[in-house]
Amino acid sequence: EVQLVESGGHLVQPGGSLRLSCAASGFTFSDHFMDWVRQAPGKGLEWVGRTRNKHENFRTDYAASVKGRFTISRDDLRTSLYLQMNSLETDDTALYFCVCLIRGVAYWGQGTLVTVSS
Amino acid sequence: DIQLTQSPSFLSASVGDRVTITCRASQGISTYFAWHQQKPGKAPKLLIYGVSTLQSGVPSRFSGSGSGTEFTLTISSLQPEDFATYYCQQLNDYPITFGQGTRLEIK
Repeated sequence: EVQLVESGGHLVQPGGSLRLSCAASGFTFSDHFMDWVRQAPGKGLEWVGRTRNKHENFRTDYAASVKGRFTISRDDLRTSLYLQMNSLETDDTALYFCVCLIRGVAYWGQGTLVTVSS
Repeated sequence: DIQLTQSPSFLSASVGDRVTITCRASQGISTYFAWHQQKPGKAPKLLIYGVSTLQSGVPSRFSGSGSGTEFTLTISSLQPEDFATYYCQQLNDYPITFGQGTRLEIK
């Protein structure tokens, strides 16, 4: 069974940094693309970014709203996905989901809450 | 960026009704298109991928169709557990985008 467990979310001040983690199990992590998606309180879903697999050189893509501030990385040995968030803004307040794509099928984690506030 | 516009944004319906949600894209999309369901306080769940392929375990009353710039999600006979928010998603081009959501409530 695919399992994705996010962690690392908490309250941080504007301008601060935070690193989120996603522990994956139940599938061959190294083979698959991984996404981060977020949802601000009471709002819809927003794609944050993607890391591809080794075969595609771990290439990443980002939403314009986070490009240059957020970095996605992965550790295939630890079967973990990461989101390094710098220069955080109040608009980054959201529940952050880790999503894996296995042959076109998306599996979602339960999310970790990031609150950016002074 | 490919913009996705769902209609309606809000839908009130009764158990047993047939409902259709439409998602229109600002430019043509191939088959990299999905529908997700989200219940309050829960993570989204994939319902349909590849425009019309039902994810394993999803009831057959759900179906997806469409091509080009117009896609639909149909629930043939609403059940109490179907009242939720539904999102379309395109994975055809970067950035990946979602529709704004359709909230389906009990009449």
